[in-house]
Amino acid sequence: NAGVMQNPRHLVRRRGQEARLRCSPMKGHSHVYWYRQLPEEGLKFMVYLQKENIIDESGMPKERFSAEFPKEGPSILRIQQVVRGDSAAYFCASSPGVRRTSEAFFGQGTRLTVV
Amino acid sequence: SQKIEQNSEALNIQEGKTATLTCNYTNYSPAYLQWYRQDPGRGPVFLLLIRENEKEKRKERLKVTFDTTLKQSLFHITASQPADSATYLCALEEASGGSYIPTFGRGTSLIVHP
Repeated sequence: NAGVMQNPRHLVRRRGQEARLRCSPMKGHSHVYWYRQLPEEGLKFMVYLQKENIIDESGMPKERFSAEFPKEGPSILRIQQVVRGDSAAYFCASSPGVRRTSEAFFGQGTRLTVV
Repeated sequence: SQKIEQNSEALNIQEGKTATLTCNYTNYSPAYLQWYRQDPGRGPVFLLLIRENEKEKRKERLKVTFDTTLKQSLFHITASQPADSATYLCALEEASGGSYIPTFGRGTSLIVHP
């Protein structure tokens, strides 16, 4: 049973380009969380999704950022018109959906560098 | 909102000693608390979960305590080894609009010297 798969592992974008980060949850997991981590800082919650639904996006910047988790395929975090401040590690986590008692399984992250 | 505090200074200990890490929180009464390990360049890995009605939880060389009165959890690694060197994160759930979001502290770096 493969773990949470994120790709690409490293992504370099020029300012103004779009970045697409993909996350395939563990088999059987229907809940996906996206976090951002800056150097020397903790994991900051961005968005919580279930299949075809955004449950909570209170941590997402209001502009340029969007996320989806379609019925088929991976969850996508999309950043439009990237700026240098978007450079960070982006982690995806999944859980089975029995909330309040389940640990989150994390992917290895995508390290976005904006040049 | 929930505030989670972990010691930002790295903890340096000698191999074989017990490492103790602290997680303090405010403004919430969580149903459970989790501890994760994160190595450089990798995603966090779940270690232990302790519920509000549990005082202590053990797993091999790991022990977690949960004091809901003090709003504090202690994470112990006994007989520490250099391979235990990593950043350790505590996480609580935070209610947000009817959903529950795992919210993480900044983590404490543990360095075990041979």
